[in-house]
Amino acid sequence: DAKTTQPPSMDCAEGRAANLPCNHSTISGNEYVYWYRQIHSQGPQYIIHGLKNNETNEMASLIITEDRKSSTLILPHATLRDTAVYYCIVRVAADSSYKLIFGSGTRLLVRP
Amino acid sequence: ETGVTQSPTHLIKTRGQQVTLRCSSQSGHNTVSWYQQALGQGPQFIFQYYREEENGRGNFPPRFSGLQFPNYSSELNVNALELDDSALYLCASSLWGYVEFFGPGTRLTVL
Repeated sequence: DAKTTQPPSMDCAEGRAANLPCNHSTISGNEYVYWYRQIHSQGPQYIIHGLKNNETNEMASLIITEDRKSSTLILPHATLRDTAVYYCIVRVAADSSYKLIFGSGTRLLVRP
Repeated sequence: ETGVTQSPTHLIKTRGQQVTLRCSSQSGHNTVSWYQQALGQGPQFIFQYYREEENGRGNFPPRFSGLQFPNYSSELNVNALELDDSALYLCASSLWGYVEFFGPGTRLTVL
């Protein structure tokens, strides 16, 4: 079962920041939070990941609360091409490796 | 683009048949995972391969099997196809199982 909870849908205006929340209250101390997005049933696209510190890359910023029970993905200047389903995922151990357990995600609509 | 390729793009099979899907990893990656994504749902982990051996498996029956080759490419085989196997099958490659990069997927339809 997915260890994350996300709102099913959100929208924002083009050019504004999109803030996508995620709850992961049962996350363990060594489990990372990953964000992917998926456009029109293409393969999911990696966005960013983090453990406890805030992270930023060319696509987005990831803000993780101090207790690690929730996080927010920030797209600083949303464009129409950012319309997609966004998945917040806790990476869990799978035997001797790791696996991603996807939930239902948040469908983000960026409005002109 | 991630550098992960999958073939074929689309496939139609009938119930009871067998199917083989193929995946070529991104250069420098040594681990391959397979996911099944039914319509309207998030991807579900099938299994992962590292050093040509299965290295983790999700809740899928044994008729789902795989192979990883010395060049780190991979195959997913599904025997005795059922209607519910209709889905988008995604391959993802990574280095040691960390950040996974997905291919475009193979759309399988079982009639």
